[in-house]
Amino acid sequence: DSGVTQTPKHLITATGQRVTLRCSPRSGDLSVYWYQQSLDQGLQFLIQYYNGEERAKGNILERFSAQQFPDLHSELNLSSLELGDSALYFCASTRDRAQETQYFGPGTRLLVL
Amino acid sequence: KNEVEQSPQNLTAQEGEFITINCSYSVGISALHWLQQHPGGGIVSLFMLSSGKKKHGRLIATINIQEKHSSLHITASHPRDSAVYICAGNYGGSQGNLIFGKGTKLSVKP
Repeated sequence: DSGVTQTPKHLITATGQRVTLRCSPRSGDLSVYWYQQSLDQGLQFLIQYYNGEERAKGNILERFSAQQFPDLHSELNLSSLELGDSALYFCASTRDRAQETQYFGPGTRLLVL
Repeated sequence: KNEVEQSPQNLTAQEGEFITINCSYSVGISALHWLQQHPGGGIVSLFMLSSGKKKHGRLIATINIQEKHSSLHITASHPRDSAVYICAGNYGGSQGNLIFGKGTKLSVKP
C-alpha cells in the first residue's frame, strides 16, 4: 500500500459526459502528479500540483483540468469525454523535491462508451 | 527530443534465470526511475538512481551516466516477478514529472 488513494476505482460513462477523479496523496506529501496510461500512448504526464499551485503541465488536453485543495487532495476533471479518453488515470505523490521516489495510487480505470 | 527507450519489449524466461532489461535516455535526465506494474495495473516504484548502483533483494539497478544507459537485473527469477517493468526519467529543475519508456513485459515460466 503506497498510502496514495484514488477514487473511484472504475468509471463507466458515455461520450460527451464529464467526470471527476479524486486523489489523496500520502500524509505529508505536497506534490501531486497526474498520469494517463492508454494502450496506444503508454504512460504520459498530464499535470503536477505543488502545495495548491500548478507547477508543471504535460500533454493535458484543454478539456481536462485539475486542482489541488488546501487539504492537498487533488481532483482531475475530464469533460466532453471522447472514446479515446478511455484509459487508466494514475496520481502519484512526493514530499516536495523534484527528483525523488514517486508513490503511485491504484489508478482509476475510465471507460467511455 | 527528450525521450526514454527500453529493450526488449517482451521477455520470456524460465524460473531461476538471470534477467536484464535495458533503458537508454536522452540528455538532460537527472534521475532515472524503475517501476513495476503488476497485471492488476498497480504501479510500484522499485528504484530511483542518479549514479552508480542500487540493490534490493534480487533486484539490482545500475546507471551509466556517460553512456546515458541504465539496466535492471533480476537474479534467480521467479514467476511472481512477471510484470511490466518501466523505466522513466526526471529532468532537472523544479519539475518532477516523469517521462516514461514503453515498458518491458516480463513473463517468468515455472
